[in-house]
Formats: sequence, C-alpha cells, structure tokens
Amino acid sequence: AQSVSQHNHHVILSEAASLELGCNYSYGGTVNLFWYVQYPGQHLQLLLKYFSGDPLVKGIKGFEAEFIKSKFSFNLRKPSVQWSDTAEYFCAVNATSGGSYIPTFGRGTSLIVHP
Amino acid sequence: EAQVTQNPRYLITVTGKKLTVTCSQNMNHEYMSWYRQDPGLGLRQIYYSMNVEVTDKGDVPEGYKVSRKEKRNFPLILESPSPNQTSLYFCASSPDLPYQPQHFGDGTRLSIL
Repeated sequence: AQSVSQHNHHVILSEAASLELGCNYSYGGTVNLFWYVQYPGQHLQLLLKYFSGDPLVKGIKGFEAEFIKSKFSFNLRKPSVQWSDTAEYFCAVNATSGGSYIPTFGRGTSLIVHP
Repeated sequence: EAQVTQNPRYLITVTGKKLTVTCSQNMNHEYMSWYRQDPGLGLRQIYYSMNVEVTDKGDVPEGYKVSRKEKRNFPLILESPSPNQTSLYFCASSPDLPYQPQHFGDGTRLSIL
C-alpha cells in the first residue's frame, strides 16, 4: 500500500513570502495526487489534482504543484502568500492500479501567515 | 448550490447508545465516502460507496456501518459507540474518481463519553 509523508508539520510565514510545502509518497506504480486545504473550522477543499500529463499543475487560489516522479514528490507552491492562506494543508495519493485505491492522506501541514 | 450536507454538526453521547450521522449530496454523484479526522493522523477512510447498494470498507471500518439505499444519501451508523470513536467525521462525494473525494461536508464532531 502507498504512504504519504508531509515533512513540514508547522510553517509560519509573513505575508508576501513564498511558500513550498513538501509531500513525498511511496508507491512504485501509477498514482493520482491531490492537495487539499482546510481553513479553520471548515471542511476540506480540493486545491488541485494530478492524474497524468503536464507535471506542473495549477490549482485554485494561486497554488500550484509539481509532480517529480523520480523523487516521488508533489510539492505545493505559492509565490506570495496572504493572511487568508492560514489553514491546514493535506497531501493525498491513491494508486491507479495494483495498489490500494483507498486514498491515503498525509498528516497535514499547519500554515500560519502573519499579516 | 452544490453541497454535501451532514447532520448533526455536533453530538455528545454516551457509550453504547446507537447513533446515525446523515449525509446527503445534491450533485447526483455516484461516489460517496466517510472519513474520520484525528489530530496528527490526517484523514482516514471509513467506508465508501460506488453506487446505490454498493459499499465497501475503507481503512478503518471497525465499529461502523453504512448504507446506500438512495444515490443522494449515505448515512454513517455507530451501533454501539465507544470513546475511541470520538472524532471529527466528514462525508464526501465525487463525480468522476470513485476513490478520491472532491466535495466534503462541513463535518460532524462526535464526542462519546
């Protein structure tokens, strides 16, 4: 079965700083990759997803992620964060064949953006 | 407005008292699922459903039941709740990817005493 690791548990930034949140997965086959955001007290929202094709994926709210197959990584980036980006971010993966179709979520990264 | 609706939002109850958390979606999605979210553990899938009368276990199904009698509804049933089921629960639906949620409900916070 696949697993997901989010190395940064807590990230604190000032507004306008650049953001990169790490996500690594372990699975040898083909996967779908996702990033979700959970604002305080709210449900998860899908930020972006990668199924196939261009490894650079653009999502909502100015976020993007790059799938690097050789590194088993799918890092989330934003060039300039805002106070409203304060939230918890979850990376998720599911296998498309051979492994578990059940999605596996990372433990989350808490992002705090200071105004 | 497209949405996934869960009820109740909050519930405090006691060990052994059966409870049901309802989930309804208005997007005609075939795929629905239940997750629990615990601090430091992320989300873990409890059950999922690919269509009416088709359900299957996720990663942590013990102590839970589900049913899918209608496409829009996917209730989560705790027959005999225990304190280790105290958690935040989310229902989710998806239009095209059966195993990956794309629309979440607002969550149900359950406390089992």
